[in-house]
This record gives sequence, C-alpha cells and structure tokens, in this order.
Amino acid sequence: DIVMTQSPDSLAVSLGERATINCKSSQSVLYSFDNKNYLAWFQQKPGQPPKVLIYWASTRKSGVPDRFSGSGSGTDFTLTISSLQAEDVAVYYCQQYYNSPWTFGQGTKVEIK
Amino acid sequence: QVQLVQSGAEVKKPGASMKVSCKAFGYTFTGYYIHWVRQAPGQGLDWMGWINPYNGDTNYERRFQGRITMTRDTSTSTAYMELTRLTSDDTAMYYCAGSEIAVSGHLDFWGQGTLVTVSS
Repeated sequence: DIVMTQSPDSLAVSLGERATINCKSSQSVLYSFDNKNYLAWFQQKPGQPPKVLIYWASTRKSGVPDRFSGSGSGTDFTLTISSLQAEDVAVYYCQQYYNSPWTFGQGTKVEIK
Repeated sequence: QVQLVQSGAEVKKPGASMKVSCKAFGYTFTGYYIHWVRQAPGQGLDWMGWINPYNGDTNYERRFQGRITMTRDTSTSTAYMELTRLTSDDTAMYYCAGSEIAVSGHLDFWGQGTLVTVSS
C-alpha cells in the first residue's frame, strides 16, 4: 500500500500570510503512460464532507479560489494557500488515486494565529 | 446539479449489520465509480472501496474483505454499502463519493455522510 505522510500535523498562520502543507508518498504516484500525478488535495470543515480543491497534483477544481495551489511530482507534493482567509480554517488531506487501496494522508489542521 | 444523497443516521448493536444508501442526481450514474470512505470520530479519512455502477464490479480494501458488500440499482441510480459483524470500531461517519471512470479520476463529489453508531 502507498503510505501518504503529511507535514506538519497542524499549523497556525496569520490572516493574509502563506500556509504550506507538504505531502510525501511512499512510492511515486506519477503514471508514465499519461505523465499525470494521481494526487488530490481535500479541504474538510467541521461537520462537512471533504471537498476537492486540487487534482492531478496541480489542477484547481472549478470554483476554488486561486489562492489555493498545488505543486510537486513523483513522491513530494505541496498545497499552498497564498493568503490565508478566515474561511480557510479546516483540515486538509492529500490522497493518492494511483493504485488500490486509495490512501489518504493523516490530515493537517490549519488555524489562525 | 451533481449530488449524492445518503440515507439517515443509524444505531446498531455489536454483531449486527448496517446498510447505507447513496442516491445520485444530476449526472450519468454509470459514468462514475461510487466509493465509500469512512471517518471515525475525530480521526482521518479511511477508503473502503468502490463499485462500478456500469457493470457492478467492485474493489474492496483488504481490511474489509469478507465483511463488506457494495451493490447498485441502476434503475434508481442508487448505490449501497453493507457492512456486517459490526463492532464499536465501526462507529463512524460513512461517505459515498464519485470519481469519473473514463479518466481514472479523483473523488470529485461527496454525499453528506451517514453517521453509524455501534453501541450495546
């Protein structure tokens, strides 16, 4: 199974500042056939289901604010919130869909400093 | 719009079975895998498997093999997940989610969740 490890487990960022979450997979999730990284980022607010922000490691879902961006390839990925807003307080998960079983990172809790 | 609507909360006794439904609206039901993901209280996300609504093929996470059955009814665009021999460790919010089959895509949309509590 591919193990997804996020860092940090939590972070507190001032409003308007940058937040960076890292995600490392135990093996590459880059599929050579189509040159795509099978990696998604989700945001989960309390009492709500997760919501996809980024897929294929760097493609922003329609309607997601452009302060959210994803980068990385192979085994190392980053979710960046360029200017943290109050509504961004949530837990963020990375997840690989390269092979079965699909696996999630443990989550990173983002709070306001 | 695209929507997955799940059945209501359940309370079960240890050893019992649960069956949660997930009804699809606003898209072609047979074009998207339906996945099941659970989340124990205060914990992270745990993928359980998927069903292909087009042909009924399933793919279960090894840990649930022998206890889990995913089915679908294409006439009502509804997917079901049954879990047997419940223990307190199965207390969780259960979500269904859709991913596009043609592009081997990500979990694109989610149901609202069904809380299942296992307690004597």
